[in-house]
Amino acid sequence: DQQVKQNSPSLSVQEGRISILNCDYTNSMFDYFLWYKKYPAEGPTFLISISSIKDKNEDGRFTVFLNKSAKHLSLHIVPSQPGDSAVYFCAASGRSQGAQKLVFGQGTRLTINP
Amino acid sequence: DADVTQTPRNRITKTGKRIMLECSQTKGHDRMYWYRQDPGLGLRLIYYSFDVKDINKGEISDGYSVSRQAQAKFSLSLESAIPNQTALYFCATSDPGGQGLSSYNEQFFGPGTRLTVL
Repeated sequence: DQQVKQNSPSLSVQEGRISILNCDYTNSMFDYFLWYKKYPAEGPTFLISISSIKDKNEDGRFTVFLNKSAKHLSLHIVPSQPGDSAVYFCAASGRSQGAQKLVFGQGTRLTINP
Repeated sequence: DADVTQTPRNRITKTGKRIMLECSQTKGHDRMYWYRQDPGLGLRLIYYSFDVKDINKGEISDGYSVSRQAQAKFSLSLESAIPNQTALYFCATSDPGGQGLSSYNEQFFGPGTRLTVL
C-alpha cells in the first residue's frame, strides 16, 4: 500500500503565478515531511521540510503547509519561475523496524510556462 | 566535485547477467541507501546501511544484494538481471539525524544510474 501519495502526475502553471503541489499520507506516526526536487539526469535534492508539530514552514518562495487532521500537505511556490520546472517528490520520515526511514510519493512533474 | 557519485551512469545489459552498481561519497556520512525509481511509483528503498557492519533490507530487496566495503562505498548487485529491473537507481547518504521527539534524516542523492535490462 502506498503510504505517501501524490495524486497529480503533472501540473502546468504560468510563470509568475502560484504553483500548488499536493501530497496525502496514511501513517499518522510520520514525524517529518520533506519535499525534494529533481531535474532530469540529476538526483533529487532537498527543498524544504516541516515537522509534524508545525502547520507551516516558509523558505523564500517556498511554503509547505501541513494539515494533520486531513493527513495532507502541500507545497506552494510563489511566484513560479521557469527554473522551478522539475519533478517534485513528497517524502515522509518515520520509524519502521527500529530505523528512521523516508517514504516517497510518486512525484509530480511541474512545468512553468513563460 | 560531487559529494555522492555513482558509476556507471548508464548501463545496458542482458537478462541473466550479473551487474554491479557502485556508489561513493565524500560527505563522511555513516548511512547509505539504494533506491530505484520507476515511472508512477516514485522512489522505493532497496537496501540501507547505517554503518559498515550494518546491512538491512528495504521495501523491495528481492533480486538484489549489497556490499558496504567501507564507510564511503556502498555497492548494489543484481545477481541475475531481469527486464523488470530496468529502472533509474539512486544512491543516497545521510547523517544519523538530530535528537528529540522529532528528527529526520535529510538524504543526499547521487546523480543516478539508468539501467536497462534487455
